[in-house]
Amino acid sequence: SQTIHQWPATLVQPVGSPLSLECTVEGTSNPNLYWYRQAAGRGLQLLFYSVGIGQISSEVPQNLSASRPQDRQFILSSKKLLLSDSGFYLCAWSVPTEWGNNEQFFGPGTRLTVL
Amino acid sequence: TQLLEQSPQFLSIQEGENLTVYCNSSSVFSSLQWYRQEPGEGPVLLVTVVTGGEVKKLKRLTFQFGDARKDSSLHITAAQPGDTGLYLCAGVGSWGKLQFGAGTQVVVTP
Repeated sequence: SQTIHQWPATLVQPVGSPLSLECTVEGTSNPNLYWYRQAAGRGLQLLFYSVGIGQISSEVPQNLSASRPQDRQFILSSKKLLLSDSGFYLCAWSVPTEWGNNEQFFGPGTRLTVL
Repeated sequence: TQLLEQSPQFLSIQEGENLTVYCNSSSVFSSLQWYRQEPGEGPVLLVTVVTGGEVKKLKRLTFQFGDARKDSSLHITAAQPGDTGLYLCAGVGSWGKLQFGAGTQVVVTP
């Protein structure tokens, strides 16, 4: 069966510090991978998606970047965090699709607080 | 950018009551998904609707996709405390990208 892991679960960082959030998927190959950010009690904003190793598409220009060094590893990074980067970060995967209705499976999320 | 608007933003009802959540867009989506999210967890898919006018039932939950594929609704019959959560609709785009609405927070009290 497939599983998706995210770490850390919670993180408190000062403004201006770097960030690295990691997401790994097990039990599937060549998944589509996604990073979302969610404000408290609100909908999800797609940040990045990837259809393969080294292939990253950015949906929203901002202070963050993403990388996919391995097939089932997706990393979200920042060189200098801003207060506005606080939020709940969710990683998700889906079966590869160019145009489909495949379900997205979400990880447990990382709660990031920037002080 | 296609925008999805959900209403109401918040809904508090007593156990046994019925409720309806709406998801509306000015644009057409090829399909639409509904997710439920518990606090501190990722969303979990409830249903995907594809055909205009389609109605899908999942136990006490009824999902409808508008004829023009621009709107959808979720109806819960005889709500239970276990139905409490954030209900999110999402339009499906290319490469499986999802455009989420802002969500409806549902609270069902015993």
